[in-house]
Amino acid sequence: EAGVAQSPRYKIIEKRQSVAFWCNPISGHATLYWYQQILGQGPKLLIQFQNNGVVDDSQLPKDRFSAERLKGVDSTLKIQPAKLEDSAVYLCASRGGTGELFFGEGSRLTVL
Amino acid sequence: SQQGEEDPQALSIQEGENATMNCSYKTSINNLQWYRQNSGRGLVHLILIRSNEREKHSGRLRVTLDTSKKSSSLLITASRAADTASYFCATDQTGTALIFGKGTTLSVSS
Repeated sequence: EAGVAQSPRYKIIEKRQSVAFWCNPISGHATLYWYQQILGQGPKLLIQFQNNGVVDDSQLPKDRFSAERLKGVDSTLKIQPAKLEDSAVYLCASRGGTGELFFGEGSRLTVL
Repeated sequence: SQQGEEDPQALSIQEGENATMNCSYKTSINNLQWYRQNSGRGLVHLILIRSNEREKHSGRLRVTLDTSKKSSSLLITASRAADTASYFCATDQTGTALIFGKGTTLSVSS
């Protein structure tokens, strides 16, 4: 069974530029999450999807972050414009049948 | 918002020793999960313990849950260098996504 796929693995941009991250969850997993992990901290939820609907985006900075999950499969997270404090690893996860999360390898963003 | 808090923040031991990490949380939960994260990688699920369970084993892992104290512990027996990683507890509450703690960084030296 293929795992959660994420791309790109690494991205370096200047502040005020834009960036997009892509995630393809495990086949059949209806629930998909984007977490932000700043160095030395635990993952913090940005947004949760159930199929193609948003369940929780209360911690998503909507003035600069957006996410979509068209057709209820893969998802894209966009940041525009990026700030220095957005430097982090962006983790995508999908939820298995017994409640555990399966994570991708993450996309590491550096904002200069 | 932070739910789980791991203790200690960092732990250094020798191969063959046991490693114990603790997690405290604030509100009622459905289950509590432990994850491992190797440097530069994603998180990997280790074990899930439900609120009506008190202890669970998986290989060299032993997890306990005390809902009256709102705390959990993860014991790794006979540690190996390959166990070097960060370990996170995550709480599962009704209607919310998993909330992760800040993690314990475990270093196992040979």
